[in-house]
Amino acid sequence: AQSVTQLDSQVPVFEEAPVELRCNYSSSVSVYLFWYVQYPNQGLQLLLKYLSGSTLVKGINGFEAEFNKSQTSFHLRKPSVHISDTAEYFCAVSRTGGATNKLIFGTGTLLAVQP
Amino acid sequence: DTEVTQTPKHLVMGMTNKKSLKCEQHMGHRAMYWYKQKAKKPPELMFVYSYEKLSINESVPSRFSPECPNSSLLNLHLHALQPEDSALYLCASSPLDRTASSPLHFGNGTRLTVT
Repeated sequence: AQSVTQLDSQVPVFEEAPVELRCNYSSSVSVYLFWYVQYPNQGLQLLLKYLSGSTLVKGINGFEAEFNKSQTSFHLRKPSVHISDTAEYFCAVSRTGGATNKLIFGTGTLLAVQP
Repeated sequence: DTEVTQTPKHLVMGMTNKKSLKCEQHMGHRAMYWYKQKAKKPPELMFVYSYEKLSINESVPSRFSPECPNSSLLNLHLHALQPEDSALYLCASSPLDRTASSPLHFGNGTRLTVT
């Protein structure tokens, strides 16, 4: 079985500062990794995904994430955040070779950007 | 704008009512999903349809009844719900050709309140 841990339930940060949102996963099989963002009163939007290849993945809105197999981590980073980045961020995994994309989500991290 | 459209945006219903949630996508995706999201929690998978056939039911109570009348539409019929069923109900879709590596496209959800 797979599981995802997001240790930080909330990350406060000042505007234009860098930020890292942490994600660790556990799985006995190969997985695909995703980061989704959820703005207030909206659904989830894909930020980026890691399927294979280069461990540094770039996504939308200036976000990037690095896959680290030895540490089973997939941390999300942005060098300079904006007020508009305030949202809930979910890390998710799915098992490779699955018949459908059965995503397992972490508990989420609220990124609170302050002026 | 989301490519997955959910109606209604908000729904208030009594415990004896029967109502339906609707979801529509025109991206040609052949996998469609229902998720339930409680406040400050990650989405929880309820049902998955593949090629209009129910492929996953995550032990959801029978008061929730999904239906996929064609490849573009997904319904969730509600009957005799409990107040604890109040939540944001999210619909999602994904292509089936790449299965587990395909990111999900989410709608903005229906905010359901059961009184």
